[in-house]
Order: sequence, then structure tokens, then C-alpha cells
Amino acid sequence: NAGVTQTPKFRILKIGQSMTLQCTQDMNHNYMYWYRQDPGMGLKLIYYSVGAGITDKGEVPNGYNVSRSTTEDFPLRLELAAPSQTSVYFCASSYQVSSYNSPLHFGNGTRLTVT
Amino acid sequence: AQSVTQLDSQVPVFEEAPVELRCNYSSSVSVYLFWYVQYPNQGLQLLLKYLSGSTLVKGINGFEAEFNKSQTSFHLRKPSVHISDTAEYFCAVKDSWGKLQFGAGTQVVVTP
Repeated sequence: NAGVTQTPKFRILKIGQSMTLQCTQDMNHNYMYWYRQDPGMGLKLIYYSVGAGITDKGEVPNGYNVSRSTTEDFPLRLELAAPSQTSVYFCASSYQVSSYNSPLHFGNGTRLTVT
Repeated sequence: AQSVTQLDSQVPVFEEAPVELRCNYSSSVSVYLFWYVQYPNQGLQLLLKYLSGSTLVKGINGFEAEFNKSQTSFHLRKPSVHISDTAEYFCAVKDSWGKLQFGAGTQVVVTP
């Protein structure tokens, strides 16, 4: 009954470092999403995936990369961390888009600080 | 393209008082509207959703929302709040690809 699991919960990076935010779900959901949350800005979609091997850009993809080799995992990669990427990152999943009854299930977030 | 505007960034309210959180949307296609709640240090949880049918939607924890097509609004209400309702609330509209467009959020602070 884990749902969507994100690791790590917190991370501090220096400018220029790289890291991968991990996200895994055990609900066999086809659709997965990465959002970032900044104060007063709501959530902005970074990347999403409609199934293994298929990814697409969201609203704010610059500076990030994703991959989807399995249904369960959807890691988010930061190659050259910048202060503007300081944010809280949320991974989410849903069963299928054609069913609008399918809500998004969110992980508990990764709080990233870049200094 | 869809967009969502939450008209209040913060709503202070006393315990057992009613609360209304305002949300307006714009969309050129059929709308699917959602309210999510985020408790401190947690992810978002679905409160309620409007897909079709009755314009009054009931959700969890005593919340309800009314879809008003003519005013393009989807305001969230609760007749009597508890301390535990202190959280951030997000209105969202879903596009045809299942992607959610979120509002900026409304922080509800309930005081005794």
C-alpha cells in the first residue's frame, strides 16, 4: 500500500552539481508526472509520461531530464543545478487519462535547495 | 488552453466558522475541475472533483464545491471548519491529456 514513493526527502546541492530524484509507484499506473512547487506559484508541470518509453515536456522542462524505462519508475535528473531549481518537487501518477475519474496520486515531495 | 485563478492567497478563519475558497477557470473545452488539499510537509490529496452532472459536488472532510458554468467558477466551501483543516488548497483543471493546471493555492489558517 505504498502508493507513490519519492526519495530523497531533502537534499542540498551546490551550484553545478547533478542529482537524480527518484520516484516509484506500485499501483501499475500508466501516467506519471513531475511537478515543482514554489511559494505562491502553485504547481508547475516539468515532465510527464504516458507509459514506459514515452515522455514529454510540461510547462517548465528546462534544466531537467527524465526517463521511463519501466512502468513503476520515473526518475527526474538535474544535470547542472542552479539556484532557480530550489523548490519542492512532487511526483504523481494516475491510471489513465481517458478516464477522468482517475485522480492523481502524489508522493510526499523532495525539498531541494541549491546554493 | 486552460487556466485557473485562485482569488485569495490566504484565508484566516476561526474554528467552527464557515469558509469559502474562490476559484475561477478559463477553458475552451469541456472542463474537469478538482480541489486538492496539501497538509504541511505532505503531498496533495484529492478533496473532490467535478466531471459532469450535478453542479454541487461533495467531497471528503465535509467540503463541497459548486460548479457555475456561467461564472466559470468552482468555489470550495465548508460550513464549519476545524483546526485540522489548516492546510493549503489548490484548485485545478484537467486538460484532454490528463495534465492538471493548478492555481497558485490558498492557505487556510484556522485559529481557535
